[in-house]
Amino acid sequence: NAGVTQTPKFQVLKTGQSMTLQCAQDMNHEYMSWYRQDPGMGLRLIHYSVGAGITDQGEVPNGYNVSRSTTEDFPLRLLSAAPSQTSVYFCASSYVRNQPQHFGDGTRLSIL
Amino acid sequence: TQLLEQSPQFLSIQEGENLTVYCNSSSVFSSLQWYRQEPGEGPVLLVTVVTGGEVKKLKRLTFQFGDARKDSSLHITAAQPGDTGLYLCAGLSSNTGKLIFGQGTTLQVKP
Repeated sequence: NAGVTQTPKFQVLKTGQSMTLQCAQDMNHEYMSWYRQDPGMGLRLIHYSVGAGITDQGEVPNGYNVSRSTTEDFPLRLLSAAPSQTSVYFCASSYVRNQPQHFGDGTRLSIL
Repeated sequence: TQLLEQSPQFLSIQEGENLTVYCNSSSVFSSLQWYRQEPGEGPVLLVTVVTGGEVKKLKRLTFQFGDARKDSSLHITAAQPGDTGLYLCAGLSSNTGKLIFGQGTTLQVKP
């Protein structure tokens, strides 16, 4: 029972570097989303997708790109990492948008 | 911007005590979800409440949705060390369809 799988679990980057956070789900969920979690601020939505080929911005999209070429995968790209992007990133999925989310175990990202 | 205020932010109690966590907003939500998160893991759904005034029980945990669907509470009876974790409420906005999370309540239950 894999559920939502995120890789890597930990990553350290230098300012200006780019990288892709991977997210895959095996539950045939149409809705997928990316959140960042910072102390005292709960979970904030970065981008989301209601199905393959469709993506939209969430609450804090600046500095991040996403694509959804398949139902299973929803990668998050940091184009030019900044220290303000140091956070824990969670990918989540559900059958449709208004259902409870299934979360991955997160990627802990530090930008130096 | 819709906000979901969660209180308290931190709670440290002794085993056997009771506690209540509150989740408040000025906005109406279609439903409200409660999650529990342990260190190094993602949030896991505990319960969803949908109807105004609804009460749901999960063993020693009691969840209530306000009559106007703007607030919710989580009450834990006789807390145990295994209840330690971060509790998050999340409201599904009636207007935008987006899920809005509260800041979370970190609960520590000491043996």
